[in-house]
Amino acid sequence: EAGVTQFPSHSVIEKGQTVTLRCDPISGHDNLYWYRRVMGKEIKFLLHFVKESKQDESGMPNNRFLAERTGGTYSTLKVQPAELEDSGVYFCASSLGGQIYFGPGTRLTVT
Amino acid sequence: SQKIEQNSEALNIQEGKTATLTCNYTNYSPAYLQWYRQDPGRGPVFLLLIRENEKEKRKERLKVTFDTTLKQSLFHITASQPADSATYLCALEGSLLWSNTGKLIFGQGTTLQVKP
Repeated sequence: EAGVTQFPSHSVIEKGQTVTLRCDPISGHDNLYWYRRVMGKEIKFLLHFVKESKQDESGMPNNRFLAERTGGTYSTLKVQPAELEDSGVYFCASSLGGQIYFGPGTRLTVT
Repeated sequence: SQKIEQNSEALNIQEGKTATLTCNYTNYSPAYLQWYRQDPGRGPVFLLLIRENEKEKRKERLKVTFDTTLKQSLFHITASQPADSATYLCALEGSLLWSNTGKLIFGQGTTLQVKP
């Protein structure tokens, strides 16, 4: 069975540009999470989808971040416009309600 | 404020010895405490979960203890091997209100290096 996949693995953009990260959860997992780790800090929760609904988006840093999960399958996280402090590794994770499975992450570098 | 602390310094041990990693927390009443392994360039991988009413959990060479009075969890790897070298993350699942939501609060992790 395929695990959680994320695309791209690495993205380098300039400040002010837009980037869209994609996550494909494990098939059948209703719960989908986004986390991120900025340099030197711990991994932090961003938001939680149950199917296509946002269950908890308390960790989203500001309104430059938009997450969607149309159809309750894959999810996208858009950052617009990107700022320098958005650089870090963005992890997606999914679960059926028990064990959480993380993807390999997307490394975002904003220059 | 809420805080999770793991040893920020890397832990270096000799193959065959027991590695012990510490996770301390303040201002939480977690329902669950989890340990993850993370290798460079990869996402965290779940290892063990221990509930607030459990004192100890084992899985093969891994052992986790959870002391809610001390607000501390210890993670042990016995008979360590070079393949155990990785970063180990402690994660709490908030309070009972958040139980089983997947909203994890992570520590910064401790890097373990097992030398042959």
